[in-house]
Amino acid sequence: EAGVVQSPRYKIIEKKQPVAFWCNPISGHNTLYWYRQNLGQGPELLIRYENEEAVDDSQLPKDRFSAERLKGVDSTLKIQPAELGDSAVYLCASSPSPTADTDTQYFGPGTRLTVL
Amino acid sequence: KQEVTQIPAALSVPEGENLVLNCSFTDSAIYNLQWFRQDPGKGLTSLLLIQSSQREQTSGRLNASLDKSSGRSTLYIAASQPGDSATYLCAVPNQAGTALIFGKGTTLSVSS
Repeated sequence: EAGVVQSPRYKIIEKKQPVAFWCNPISGHNTLYWYRQNLGQGPELLIRYENEEAVDDSQLPKDRFSAERLKGVDSTLKIQPAELGDSAVYLCASSPSPTADTDTQYFGPGTRLTVL
Repeated sequence: KQEVTQIPAALSVPEGENLVLNCSFTDSAIYNLQWFRQDPGKGLTSLLLIQSSQREQTSGRLNASLDKSSGRSTLYIAASQPGDSATYLCAVPNQAGTALIFGKGTTLSVSS
């Protein structure tokens, strides 16, 4: 069974440029998460989707970040414009259930973003 | 607000040693606790999931314990190997059970 797929794996951009990350969750997983992991820190949730609906985006900086999950499968996370502080690893995860209570989340390899 | 703390931040041991990684959380009303492993440049891999009703879980050389009342969990690694070198993160669900809250991790280095 294929795991969570993310692309690109690495991205280097200059500040003020736009950038987009793509995630394909495990087949059949209705719940999709985007986390951001700063250097030396644990991942922090940015947004969670149930099918195509964003049900928790309270931690998403909405002035520059946007996300979508059309058709409830693939998802794209966008930053426009990028700032130096956005340098981090962006992790996508999926799970078969709506909550984290009983099911583990399956993580992709992440996209490492460097903003110069 | 739930906070997760991991001690130590880094640990270096020679091959063959038994070791303990610690995780503490401020809100004991958790559904479960997970331990993850993260290799450099890779995503997270779930190692062990302990439900709130359980005291411990074992997988091979790994044993994780959970003491909800004291807000603590430990990950015990027996007979460490160089291949165990990685960052180990513990995580608990948020109050709504909709996302995970992670500690900063313990970076383990096992030398041969």
